[in-house]
Amino acid sequence: DSGVTQTPKHLITATGQRVTLRCSPRSGDLSVYWYQQSLDQGLQFLIQYYNGEERAKGNILERFSAQQFPDLHSELNLSSLELGDSALYFCASSVGGQAGTDTQYFGPGTRLTVL
Amino acid sequence: GENVEQHPSTLSVQEGDSAVIKCTYSDSASNYFPWYKQELGKRPQLIIDIRSNVGEKKDQRIAVTLNKTAKHFSLHITETQPEDSAVYFCASLLSGSARQLTFGSGTQLTVLP
Repeated sequence: DSGVTQTPKHLITATGQRVTLRCSPRSGDLSVYWYQQSLDQGLQFLIQYYNGEERAKGNILERFSAQQFPDLHSELNLSSLELGDSALYFCASSVGGQAGTDTQYFGPGTRLTVL
Repeated sequence: GENVEQHPSTLSVQEGDSAVIKCTYSDSASNYFPWYKQELGKRPQLIIDIRSNVGEKKDQRIAVTLNKTAKHFSLHITETQPEDSAVYFCASLLSGSARQLTFGSGTQLTVLP
């Protein structure tokens, strides 16, 4: 167990709908990252937050948005869902900070199925 | 931006043999290189990492080597066991304020009993 929690574990919805995925980082971690993993694909970085502020953006669609709350949990909002959005969505957390390197620990993921 | 290439995409070895997975990165400013193991439907789990001021790191049966000049790093698994079967991802992280990991495309390792 990495200490990162994600809910829900599974989500089935229809095209055009909107869903919210939730992530709670490890205790003490200030950075949260979101990744998308489609079937037989690698891990695509979506977005990073550090202590409530957006730090970096990757291949995140305009239909997707995220935020990090004062208690440091984060939510990823996916709207106008398409079949191609079906994937595993992982959250990771790290200590964060301005300098140095830190390890990212992944949550168990949310499997999103768009029908 | 950073680009990470990983080879091979699939690797089959006999139990007890060694397995080697190689990655190259493009940005010389990268300074942290983790390796993750992912079993089917599970989360990526960190198995070993190396920082740019170190050339080699070992942890029991696994080791990672880094060649900064050539910009490549490798994962070595010795005495492979069936439970080592999984997808392995390498990654690199650029120094600076953004802590964005760039992942390789993954290697499906199968250890045959």
